[in-house]
Amino acid sequence: AQKVTQAQTEISVVEKEDVTLDCVYETRDTTYYLFWYKQPPSGELVFLIRRNSFDEQNEISGRYSWNFQKSTSSFNFTITASQVVDSAVYFCALSADNGGFKTIFGAGTRLFVKA
Amino acid sequence: DAGVTQSPTHLIKTRGQQVTLRCSPKSGHDTVSWYQQALGQGPQFIFQYYEEEERQRGNFPDRFSGHQFPNYSSELNVNALLLGDSALYLCASSWGTSSETQYFGPGTRLLVL
Repeated sequence: AQKVTQAQTEISVVEKEDVTLDCVYETRDTTYYLFWYKQPPSGELVFLIRRNSFDEQNEISGRYSWNFQKSTSSFNFTITASQVVDSAVYFCALSADNGGFKTIFGAGTRLFVKA
Repeated sequence: DAGVTQSPTHLIKTRGQQVTLRCSPKSGHDTVSWYQQALGQGPQFIFQYYEEEERQRGNFPDRFSGHQFPNYSSELNVNALLLGDSALYLCASSWGTSSETQYFGPGTRLLVL
């Protein structure tokens, strides 16, 4: 069975603080893909990143960075120098080839960034 | 380049009624997936359509059905609505049925009274 756990329900930080959102996943598949999406109050899910299970290289994109560790089945997301516009719900998701890819989402972490 | 579009944006129905939601995929995409997102939860996979056929299905009853048209657009139908069907329904499009990234539309907010 596949599962994604985002243990942090809500996080509140002050602007310019760094914040890390945790994601732990479970799958028996050797080939799988991990994603992070941002959901602002408007409701639309915005794609942030996709990683495959064979690429453990960490990635940085501006103020965003991702740490993928297969040994701990984690795919954590860090926002450096947070801004008010970063306030949203962030979802971690897993997709694996079990007869077809379907994406399993975590419950999400709501991030509040206060000015 | 048009993104994923969904209609309507909001909908109010009463228990027992039927509803149809519509989705047009992003240009160049041929696969449409539907998700239900209850308040405060992550999206739950309903089903995926590719080449006008249902390819994958999540743990949803037969009251949830869909269709994909030759132009790749899709409809989600829900019969015999229950109060618990109130949610944000998200459509996502991608290319093929493999691991390609899904891009989401703005969703349809359904309220069942």
